[in-house]
Amino acid sequence: GQQLNQSPQSMFIQEGEDVSMNCTSSSIFNTWLWYKQDPGEGPVLLIALYKAGELTSNGRLTAQFGITRKDSFLNISASIPSDVGIYFCAGRQAGGTSYGKLTFGQGTILTVHP
Amino acid sequence: DAGVIQSPRHEVTEMGQEVTLRCKPISGHNSLFWYRQTMMRGLELLIYFNNNVPIDDSGMPEDRFSAKMPNASFSTLKIQPSEPRDSAVYFCASSSLLSPDTQYFGPGTRLTVL
Repeated sequence: GQQLNQSPQSMFIQEGEDVSMNCTSSSIFNTWLWYKQDPGEGPVLLIALYKAGELTSNGRLTAQFGITRKDSFLNISASIPSDVGIYFCAGRQAGGTSYGKLTFGQGTILTVHP
Repeated sequence: DAGVIQSPRHEVTEMGQEVTLRCKPISGHNSLFWYRQTMMRGLELLIYFNNNVPIDDSGMPEDRFSAKMPNASFSTLKIQPSEPRDSAVYFCASSSLLSPDTQYFGPGTRLTVL
């Protein structure tokens, strides 16, 4: 079953605003990834995180691997209309989970009003 | 470099028919993953291969589903016989063994079973 809780489920913001979303689990994870999916397309990898406490940026996007290894955050600064889409967190659970076997969150639907 | 290639992009078939979905991973990637995405269940891992060998097929719904990877550049996911509940978007993803969790997705095949 689903092990990642992603929030919020949806966001409606004005262009130029900053966005923050997160993913939590009751289990420890070894890897966290953030993807964006546009309608009719496959998820596109935004940021990958491999160490607890790691903070990584990709343009206006910044993601962090939580210190407890049970959560991750994605921030988008100065949003623009093309940021619209569904954002997914994904991770590989610690404790013997095979490399590559990811669990996905349910997604955050982002709408940006011009 | 070309990304993950999937075909067909759309498939409409009638219940009971055989369906074959195809995937070409990114050149040089050793791991290949098949996912299914539905509104109700989100993204689910069906099966994945390392070096053309199936590693974990615990996500395959039932015996009607089968997957093969005859060589490093090609994989198929077959459903026989298809049922309306198989309607979903099927994604193929690939990654390198050096970074197996960092998966790159194809555009998906939208399957509709009538």
